[in-house]
Amino acid sequence: GAVVSQHPSWVICKSGTSVKIECRSLDFQATTMFWYRQFPKQSLMLMATSNEGSKATYEQGVEKDKFLINHASLTLSTLTVTSAHPEDSSFYICSARDVLAGVKETQYFGPGTRLLVL
Amino acid sequence: AQSVTQPDIHITVSEGASLELRCNYSYGATPYLFWYVQSPGQGLQLLLKYFSGDTLVQGIKGFEAEFKRSQSSFNLRKPSVHWSDAAEYFCAVGARNTDKLIFGTGTRLQVFP
Repeated sequence: GAVVSQHPSWVICKSGTSVKIECRSLDFQATTMFWYRQFPKQSLMLMATSNEGSKATYEQGVEKDKFLINHASLTLSTLTVTSAHPEDSSFYICSARDVLAGVKETQYFGPGTRLLVL
Repeated sequence: AQSVTQPDIHITVSEGASLELRCNYSYGATPYLFWYVQSPGQGLQLLLKYFSGDTLVQGIKGFEAEFKRSQSSFNLRKPSVHWSDAAEYFCAVGARNTDKLIFGTGTRLQVFP
């Protein structure tokens, strides 16, 4: 089946540094990828929709300058948390939609990246 | 606005017992409905989905869910739970004109031998 990978699986960084998280669709092409944030014991909150070759669409309340998204190819989207602070510590999950699928037919999720900002 | 409610934060069942996880949604029209399972260290796996047609949907791993429009519910069921079913379960709703999914807060399932 379709597989989505994320790298790294976990990262610890100092406050003020930037962290890049990669999301890759391994065996399918994804024109659209989604980035979610999940707080402990809470639901997944959609942060942004990443479209290949165009600017990402951010959800209300998500700072686009802080969470930079790049979807440079049909198999790779990156999320960069700039000038990270402790409140950015969270579990970040991406998903990818198969380019050959219809609306919502197939959205495959990555295993997530746990970010801890000290 | 769309929303999803999973009333049960944590459920514990014995192996072999039946299971029902509740999900209620709020949406102005018939939504797309999904159940996902999340195991530690793994991504969300789609168990089943409802788009239209038969309101009783069969999924993987022996799970099924029933869409009840009158109750705005999409409860997940399994007749006999296995220890490997212990995980976090998320119900999600999607609008028919966007790709976005709205997730519930999840239900953690614990299975005792």
